[in-house]
Amino acid sequence: DAKTTQPTSMDCAEGRAANLPCNHSTISGNEYVYWYRQIHSQGPQYIIHGLKNNETNEMASLIITEDRKSSTLILPHATLRDTAVYYCIVPGNMLTFGGGTRLMVKP
Amino acid sequence: SAVISQKPSRDICQRGTSLTIQCQVDSQVTMMFWYRQQPGQSLTLIATANQGSEATYESGFVIDKFPISRPNLTFSTLTVSNMSPEDSSIYLCSVNLFSYRLGEQYFGPGTRLTVT
Repeated sequence: DAKTTQPTSMDCAEGRAANLPCNHSTISGNEYVYWYRQIHSQGPQYIIHGLKNNETNEMASLIITEDRKSSTLILPHATLRDTAVYYCIVPGNMLTFGGGTRLMVKP
Repeated sequence: SAVISQKPSRDICQRGTSLTIQCQVDSQVTMMFWYRQQPGQSLTLIATANQGSEATYESGFVIDKFPISRPNLTFSTLTVSNMSPEDSSIYLCSVNLFSYRLGEQYFGPGTRLTVT
């Protein structure tokens, strides 16, 4: 599995965009980037994944750099309910959860 | 997506006993997974449970300690055997709906186990 690096924590004001970065410099050409989040006391929730094109769904947008060595998950209008730990994962034959980024959305 | 339920949601057990955790999915799936999340830590994969075959355990986890059953395509159990306080964790099951998108998994709510 390609190793990913994320900031330990971030704050965001409610209603503003939350931009969560992830470095995955050892990613190979056919590996996808997946994002999950885990709200306190709940199981992880799949958010989005991408290969090289930017992706958007009802939850978030995923921006992947052209060299694919990093990506950014964007929550366009963060709410208090978006407070969670966000995991960026490049799976090999299994999901490996690192430390993630603890996002705190503040009023 | 898939709807996954786990029973029990939480339990407090005495050391030396065993607990069986159930995982039920609302659709038929080939691949199911069991994870452990120790207090304040991230998730660690225990094993992969495919219907019709023996579970595949990750390094550090053994069948005698964490026996798994997978009797059909919608159900699995994980038993935590001969428990010690170090087994206090959240245990989660997950499923993969698309074999070509192994990274897309759907998780149950977890079972919070406390061993005293």
